[in-house]
Amino acid sequence: QSVLTQPPSASGTPGQRVTISCSGSSSNIGTNSVKWYQQLPGTAPKLLIYSDNQRPSGVPDRFSGSKSGTSASLAISGLQSEDEADYYCAAWDDSLSDLYVFGTGTKVTVL
Amino acid sequence: QVQLVQSGAEVRKPGASVKVSCKTFGYTFTSFDVNWVRQAPGQGLEWMGWMSPNSGDTGFAQKFQGRITMTRNTSITTAYMELHSLTSEDTAVYYCARDLKYGDPGGFWGQGSLVTVSS
Repeated sequence: QSVLTQPPSASGTPGQRVTISCSGSSSNIGTNSVKWYQQLPGTAPKLLIYSDNQRPSGVPDRFSGSKSGTSASLAISGLQSEDEADYYCAAWDDSLSDLYVFGTGTKVTVL
Repeated sequence: QVQLVQSGAEVRKPGASVKVSCKTFGYTFTSFDVNWVRQAPGQGLEWMGWMSPNSGDTGFAQKFQGRITMTRNTSITTAYMELHSLTSEDTAVYYCARDLKYGDPGGFWGQGSLVTVSS
């Protein structure tokens, strides 16, 4: 059972803005930075956002991250068909059980 | 460029062990931690643990404690993950991933290795 909770699905039409939430706790998001990963069907995940809101080289600026307290969000602006994928948040956790935790994942559908 | 190339698919019987390799290219192997993540069919991502290729230090998710080992061979820039006492619930794609920078797992990923546990 993941300790980071995401909505199971989100959708939008091309060009729209879609936002995905990620709810955690003081031991993970509240203390450590959030990462976001994109997983296209049948492929390995790809890092989209690190340090809450930083994009690795090559990630379009349509993707943006934010954090407030124990929650974080990923926004996709100007939604494109190739953005249809699963998205996962993640963070290091200071509790004793799991050192790094992933969110439950959100399937984004482009209508 | 940075590449992580994993070993091929494996089939094991319940109770057996499996060892997955992750050969790295294009960077200094000892400079970035390697994490292992798995994904059961139709399920989400599950973090298994991390290893420092420099020191050999490791850290594991509690659910794998006692039946997982992570090692490396620096001379051939390869990381390994071995999982013991397999059950059908260990059927999954296993990924190795290199930190983007310290503390940021998953900057670069292997292609995944399917492990099937079946009698």
